[in-house]
Amino acid sequence: GENVEQHPSTLSVQEGDSAVIKCTYSDSASNYFPWYKQELGKGPQLIIDIRSNVGEKKDQRIAVTLNKTAKHFSLHITETQPEDSAVYFCAASRGTGYSTLTFGKGTMLLVSP
Amino acid sequence: SAVISQKPSRDICQRGTSLTIQCQVDSQVTMMFWYRQQPGQSLTLIATANQGSEATYESGFVIDKFPISRPNLTFSTLTVSNMSPEDSSIYLCSVAGVEADTQYFGPGTRLTVL
Repeated sequence: GENVEQHPSTLSVQEGDSAVIKCTYSDSASNYFPWYKQELGKGPQLIIDIRSNVGEKKDQRIAVTLNKTAKHFSLHITETQPEDSAVYFCAASRGTGYSTLTFGKGTMLLVSP
Repeated sequence: SAVISQKPSRDICQRGTSLTIQCQVDSQVTMMFWYRQQPGQSLTLIATANQGSEATYESGFVIDKFPISRPNLTFSTLTVSNMSPEDSSIYLCSVAGVEADTQYFGPGTRLTVL
C-alpha cells in the first residue's frame, strides 16, 4: 500500500518568514495530493490540493509543488503569520473516485510574532 | 464544501461501556468516512460508510468493535464498543466532495476512556 513520509515533524519560524513542508510517497499510481491544516481542538481543514497533471498550484500565500518523477510534493507558505500556527498534514491517493487517503504524520508549525 | 457536525464534541467514558458518535451533513453525500486520530498522531481510516450496505473496514478494524450505521445520505453513526483506555482518541467523520477524491472533515469527537 501507499506510504507517505512527512518532514519536518516540527518547524519554528519568525513571522514574515517562509515555511516549507515536504512529503514523499511510495505508490507511483497516486495522483491526488491534498494538504490539511488542523488547529488545536478542530478537525482538519483542506487548504490546497494538487493533481498529477500539474506541477504547481498557488492560492494567495500558499503554494504546493509536485515532482512525480521523484515522488515528492511540498507545501510552501510565504509571509507567515501567527495564525498559520497549526499542525499540517499531507496526504496521497490514487484519486480514482473515493480512493483512500494515506496521511503523513504531520508537521507542527509554530510562527512566532 | 459541506457543513459537517458531530455529536458529542467530547466525552469521558468508563472502560467497558460503549459510545455512539453521530455525524450530520447539511447536504446529501455518497461517501462518508470514519477516522481515528490518537493523541499527537496522524489520521487512520477506520471504515467507509456506505448508504444501503455494510461499511467497509480497513485492516485492523472490525465491525464488532466499531459498528457503523448509514441510514441515509446525510447521516452516519460510529459506535466504539467495550471501550478501553487505548480507545482514547479523536474520532473524525469526513465526506467526499463533488470531486470524489476530495474529503472534508467534521470537527471531531474527543473521547477519553478511564
